[in-house]
Amino acid sequence: AQSVSQHNHHVILSEAASLELGCNYSYGGTVNLFWYVQYPGQHLQLLLKYFSGDPLVKGIKGFEAEFIKSKFSFNLRKPSVQWSDTAEYFCAVNAANSGYSTLTFGKGTMLLVSP
Amino acid sequence: GAVVSQHPSWVICKSGTSVKIECRSLDFQATTMFWYRQFPKQSLMLMATSNEGSKATYEQGVEKDKFLINHASLTLSTLTVTSAHPEDSSFYICSARDIGLISSYNSPLHFGNGTRLTVT
Repeated sequence: AQSVSQHNHHVILSEAASLELGCNYSYGGTVNLFWYVQYPGQHLQLLLKYFSGDPLVKGIKGFEAEFIKSKFSFNLRKPSVQWSDTAEYFCAVNAANSGYSTLTFGKGTMLLVSP
Repeated sequence: GAVVSQHPSWVICKSGTSVKIECRSLDFQATTMFWYRQFPKQSLMLMATSNEGSKATYEQGVEKDKFLINHASLTLSTLTVTSAHPEDSSFYICSARDIGLISSYNSPLHFGNGTRLTVT
């Protein structure tokens, strides 16, 4: 079975600081990887996804993530955070090429950006 | 820790039948639960927000009469796929947030393990 580990449950940053949220997964086969965000009072939104190809994936709002297969990692980054990035971030994984495979989420990381 | 239990985890049904999926918060209360659907090689799509004691709020394009949502208590929401067809085959997942904690900032969002529906 697959699993996802997000290293930090809470992260507090000042505006303009750089962000990196860790995500590691365990699964023996090929995977699809996702980062979702949920802003306060809103629904889950897709930030970016990796299916294949370039392991550096660019998403919305200046976010990017890099898939490092050897490390089973898919860390989320942003060079300069804004107050509006305050939200909860979830990493998720499912098995690639297997139809409707289980989507497994990490526990989430709550990011608070102070102005 | 808090757990969201989703049942069944995998169901196969015949075309034309209805399937009920349950989402339970096991040790916390949730006034709001969310139902998502994932198509193969695509990301999660929010279907509806389930509100305890009131009607669910459906996202645009989601058929209310086909995907019936009932949130009868603070710990249970159900999604019923009525008159299922093969195109309804998908992965359905629910999530809920613990209302008992001080602020939404501190209360994590918990996901069920999902239900894989196959309609033949």
